Amino acid sequence: NAGVTQTPKFRILKIGQSMTLQCTQDMNHNYMYWYRQDPGMGLKLIYYSVGAGITDKGEVPNGYNVSRSTTEDFPLRLELAAPSQTSVYFCASMGGRTDTQYFGPGTRLTVL
Amino acid sequence: AQSVAQPEDQVNVAEGNPLTVKCTYSVSGNPYLFWYVQYPNRGLQFLLKYITGDNLVKGSYGFEAEFNKSQTSFHLKKPSALVSDSALYFCAVRDMRGKLIFGQGTELSVKP
Repeated sequence: NAGVTQTPKFRILKIGQSMTLQCTQDMNHNYMYWYRQDPGMGLKLIYYSVGAGITDKGEVPNGYNVSRSTTEDFPLRLELAAPSQTSVYFCASMGGRTDTQYFGPGTRLTVL
Repeated sequence: AQSVAQPEDQVNVAEGNPLTVKCTYSVSGNPYLFWYVQYPNRGLQFLLKYITGDNLVKGSYGFEAEFNKSQTSFHLKKPSALVSDSALYFCAVRDMRGKLIFGQGTELSVKP
């Protein structure tokens, strides 16, 4: 049981490039979340999903897209990378019968 | 709207002394409150939660938190701090749609 896994761990992008941050969970959780963490700012919710095929915007969705074709996977897409998207990105999941979110190890993204 | 505040950016404690990390909340209705810990270059780990019941909640690694409805607080405590407790601590409240809203974090430093 690996929990929540994220790839890659680190990535440097040039302005305007695109990439997908991968997130997979093996706990059969319905709920999945993407956060970004900026220094001194806590975590901000980007997008979330309550089940396969259902996604919704969080607090800071601009510049990002998500999809949820399976229960296990919840990729985050950056289409046109900007320096403001330099951050650490965390994926999390939560089961339907618990209130606890479990976090992945994070992806550190730098946009230059 | 739900929110949490962590009034201290940093807390410094000597090893063996008791520690307190403060959190206040603002919610409509009954609060679902959480504490998470983040070690350097790691994801967030769940420590404890308050949903209902006893005001004193016990969690992982010897931590506990006291829910105080009249003061709208949920302070994290430990009777005897360890150097290994040094980390970033986040308080969070769950909103009515199941999303977590995080405080900005408090850095705990425990010196030998």
